[in-house]
Amino acid sequence: EAGVAQSPRYKIIEKRQSVAFWCNPISGHATLYWYQQILGQGPKLLIQFQNNGVVDDSQLPKDRFSAERLKGVDSTLKIQPAKLEDSAVYLCASSSEVSEQYFGPGTRLTVT
Amino acid sequence: AQSVAQPEDQVNVAEGNPLTVKCTYSVSGNPYLFWYVQYPNRGLQFLLKYITGDNLVKGSYGFEAEFNKSQTSFHLKKPSALVSDSALYFCAVRDMRRGGFKTIFGAGTRLFVKA
Repeated sequence: EAGVAQSPRYKIIEKRQSVAFWCNPISGHATLYWYQQILGQGPKLLIQFQNNGVVDDSQLPKDRFSAERLKGVDSTLKIQPAKLEDSAVYLCASSSEVSEQYFGPGTRLTVT
Repeated sequence: AQSVAQPEDQVNVAEGNPLTVKCTYSVSGNPYLFWYVQYPNRGLQFLLKYITGDNLVKGSYGFEAEFNKSQTSFHLKKPSALVSDSALYFCAVRDMRRGGFKTIFGAGTRLFVKA
């Protein structure tokens, strides 16, 4: 069974630029999550999808972050414009119903 | 409010000795509890979970965890530590009374196993 795929693995951008991350979940997993993990901290949920609908986006900075999961499969997370404090690892995860989550390798974003 | 605490930033143990990584939680309803491990430059990997039933749950790589409702704890344990167990460990809780939509992660505990 293929795992959660994410790209790119690393990204360096200047502040005020835009960036997009892609995630393909495990086949058949209805729930998809995007987390932000800042160095030394636990993952913080940004947005959670159930199929192609948003379940929770309460911690997503909506003035600069956006995410979509148009066909209920893969998803894109965008930051525009980026700030220095957005430097973090962005993790995508998927799960079926209320079971454990399976994480991708993450995208390490550095904003200079 | 839903929360999870890992009181130790770091745990040091000698190889072959038992290890414990502590986790306490706070939820309004019945908790679903999870442990994940993160190796350097890799995503989180699921270790084990408690949903219902036996308070002692067994997971991957010889790890186990004990659910204690009265102490609201879910400590991770292993009888004999390996150097390869050195990693960052995260406890997570899901409050099922609120529909179980959100999982809250602890700040993590770094485990060092010395040979």
